[in-house]
Amino acid sequence: DGGITQSPKYLFRKEGQNVTLSCEQNLNHDAMYWYRQDPGQGLRLIYYSQIVNDFQKGDIAEGYSVSREKKESFPLTVTSAQKNPTAFYLCASKTAGGGRGNQPQHFGDGTRLSIL
Amino acid sequence: QQPVQSPQAVILREGEDAVINCSSSKALYSVHWYRQKHGEAPVFLMILLKGGEQKGHEKISASFNEKKQQSSLYLTASQLSYSGTYFCGTYSGAGSYQLTFGKGTKLSVIP
Repeated sequence: DGGITQSPKYLFRKEGQNVTLSCEQNLNHDAMYWYRQDPGQGLRLIYYSQIVNDFQKGDIAEGYSVSREKKESFPLTVTSAQKNPTAFYLCASKTAGGGRGNQPQHFGDGTRLSIL
Repeated sequence: QQPVQSPQAVILREGEDAVINCSSSKALYSVHWYRQKHGEAPVFLMILLKGGEQKGHEKISASFNEKKQQSSLYLTASQLSYSGTYFCGTYSGAGSYQLTFGKGTKLSVIP
């Protein structure tokens, strides 16, 4: 079955450490997204990529980095510069077909990141 | 700019109806609705494009009022399975690649 796989499900970060969250999709979608979710805040966009080897900052990109070397993969690195990384991280993808606003985003099951 | 959802939370008994509103200060190109159960991924419900269309999915329907830059989600004869947090997401123009989500409305359906 096609879908989006995020791993790990739970992740702990030590002070000063960089950690990488994995996101893989087999839906053949062109666009991929990373969101951060805090209680009561909804989903906030960190980075997005419309095509391989290209990505743009979202509203809260500081302290995060991404790469898009393959269509299927869009890993997110939470760097030590992100001082408050504890949150639920969601990866999403969508097809580029049609207009930009008329296709749904499909979400992975998320990674819950906590500080040790 | 983040759309504003109201109410923030609502409690219903099974069989009751509810309306969730989503408003924006910017002109909207489309509105997307999702439902999220605690600790799970958001699940897509429906998309409304500008033009004032209405859509429905079983007993859940929605409308989009372009002039008011507002969308409403209607849940009729609620079931226990409707419990969760409902998010609207908006695109503010055909040139926008960014779906901006509201803070969500927590819906609890009790027996």
